[in-house]
Amino acid sequence: ILNVEQSPQSLHVQEGDSTNFTCSFPSSNFYALHWYRWETAKSPEALFVMTLNGDEKKKGRISATLNTKEGYSYLYIKGSQPEDSATYLCASGGSNYKLTFGKGTLLTVNP
Amino acid sequence: GAGVSQSPSNKVTEKGKDVELRCDPISGHTALYWYRQSLGQGLEFLIYFQGNSAPDKSGLPSDRFSAERTGGSVSTLTIQRTQQEDSAVYLCASSLSGKDGYTFGSGTRLTVV
Repeated sequence: ILNVEQSPQSLHVQEGDSTNFTCSFPSSNFYALHWYRWETAKSPEALFVMTLNGDEKKKGRISATLNTKEGYSYLYIKGSQPEDSATYLCASGGSNYKLTFGKGTLLTVNP
Repeated sequence: GAGVSQSPSNKVTEKGKDVELRCDPISGHTALYWYRQSLGQGLEFLIYFQGNSAPDKSGLPSDRFSAERTGGSVSTLTIQRTQQEDSAVYLCASSLSGKDGYTFGSGTRLTVV
């Protein structure tokens, strides 16, 4: 994998559903994996910064895991709410701290 | 300030004109980044400032693009002789150090007509 790739590109779920998305990134020269939430007409907001293989982080109903050896991270949302509707971006950084972003997963939660 | 401030929020300019985009990062944040998002694309790295070190300009798409950061604080991104392909949302972000999550500004939407 040469670039940061996210799947799916978009996702529609019903309120209360749990969902997850994937981020794949180059495992060589890995330093950190970032997740951001970007709501329409707002700035991207940092969710997690993860550096260690096997790391798991949680923030309310949102959690993320990291596998640096195989180059992937999962973001999970439990019991989705309409306010979770946003584009979720992941980004991978090397030791130069420069992030390469994926194109994002657009989540729409229907009430 | 409380957040990263960018101005203007919207800019419409004629092809061939020069534009300046401003970013005021969070006080004390040593790292400052410029990214842009063109229609249908992901965030594209442009330039990175870290403290007093020489900036990483490897993402600037052409020599029409330049950026400076004065006094380790405010940054200006300048695009000379704008082209239609320069139309994008330009985002600035800062972080306490290069290792931390970014705080983004609300962006400048540039439209070249």
